[in-house]
Amino acid sequence: SQTIHQWPATLVQPVGSPLSLECTVEGTSNPNLYWYRQAAGRGLQLLFYSVGIGQISSEVPQNLSASRPQDRQFILSSKKLLLSDSGFYLCAWREAASGANVLTFGAGSRLTVL
Amino acid sequence: AQSVTQLDSHVSVSEGTPVLLRCNYSSSYSPSLFWYVQHPNKGLQLLLKYTSAATLVKGINGFEAEFKKSETSFHLTKPSAHMSDAAEYFCVVSPWGTGRRALTFGSGTRLQVQP
Repeated sequence: SQTIHQWPATLVQPVGSPLSLECTVEGTSNPNLYWYRQAAGRGLQLLFYSVGIGQISSEVPQNLSASRPQDRQFILSSKKLLLSDSGFYLCAWREAASGANVLTFGAGSRLTVL
Repeated sequence: AQSVTQLDSHVSVSEGTPVLLRCNYSSSYSPSLFWYVQHPNKGLQLLLKYTSAATLVKGINGFEAEFKKSETSFHLTKPSAHMSDAAEYFCVVSPWGTGRRALTFGSGTRLQVQP
């Protein structure tokens, strides 16, 4: 069966520090991968999606970047965090060949920037 | 173009009473529709999905939803609320089969269950 892992679960970082959140998927090949952010009291915002290694699409201009160095690994990064980067970050995957568009989410990473 | 509107940001019910969470959508294509649930500080879990088969869809934990094309609605219901149902619920719309990024999330409905 497929599983998705996301870490770290929580982190507190000072403004201006770097960020790296990691997501890996097991039990599938060539998944579509996604990073969402959920700010306090707001809905889900799609940040990045990837349909293959090295293929990243950005949905909104921001202080963050994403990379996909391996088929089932998706990394969210920042060189210098801003206060506004605080939020709950969710990684998700979907079968590339699936027409039903069902997303499976990781458990999330809560980032607090101070 | 597509959009989804969750008509209530908060719903409060008593344990044992019915639950109704409302969702209206618009889509230029035949849509797929989903409901996800999120417990505090957790990821989103799929409750149920509609993908152009039966219009009444049964999901996990006793939830179900009915796709009504004429009303462009996909309301989530449960006959009897349980304390563990307290969570945030998201309605999601997507055109069938287009994949990639084409999912639109509603703003969420927070369900409170009173003892």
